Amino acid sequence: EPEVTQTPSHQVTQMGQEVILRCVPISNHLYFYWYRQILGQKVEFLVSFYNNEISEKSEIFDDQFSVERPDGSNFTLKIRSTKLEDSAMYFCASALSGQPQHFGDGTRLSIL
Amino acid sequence: DAKTTQPTSMDCAEGRAANLPCNHSTISGNEYVYWYRQIHSQGPQYIIHGLKNNETNEMASLIITEDRKSSTLILPHATLRDTAVYYCIVRPNGGATNKLIFGTGTLLAVQP
Repeated sequence: EPEVTQTPSHQVTQMGQEVILRCVPISNHLYFYWYRQILGQKVEFLVSFYNNEISEKSEIFDDQFSVERPDGSNFTLKIRSTKLEDSAMYFCASALSGQPQHFGDGTRLSIL
Repeated sequence: DAKTTQPTSMDCAEGRAANLPCNHSTISGNEYVYWYRQIHSQGPQYIIHGLKNNETNEMASLIITEDRKSSTLILPHATLRDTAVYYCIVRPNGGATNKLIFGTGTLLAVQP
């Protein structure tokens, strides 16, 4: 069964550094998402992406965050200048129109 | 978006049916009921969804009351691998662009 893959599984970064989290969505999916889960807390929506543009974003997704689909297969989340509170699991998801979202197993981001 | 209410935790004996309830008394006519689960350290996994009819797939059954104000996810023969947090989510239109809003879910512990 096709699946969403995320790399790396664990990323450790110094505060203030830029980080890029990578996702390969399911190949024929057209809708892409990022969510995050701080340890012990709920899964929170960050952003949705369709037709090469952001369709919705949450309050968390401020100017430090950006998303890109650079080559038709990857979907990336960039955090420009990381803060301690960005430490979390970041999940990518993808979907077909009108179909359920399917999630990857996440990247654990640790900011030191 | 309609809110959902789920018990914080439930136990189930291995091999028995697990029945997980969800209240969504403010659900709107165009909102679907989705169920996801999250096994420790993994991404959310789609289980099943429905609008008003009962649904069944290889993983579970979804029973939605006639007034649509509540639903029950049924795992017919629970195994130890079904131990997870189960999320009941209500989402409008079934559209793929719509974000998923996760609550705290029900922690199902399957006991040997």
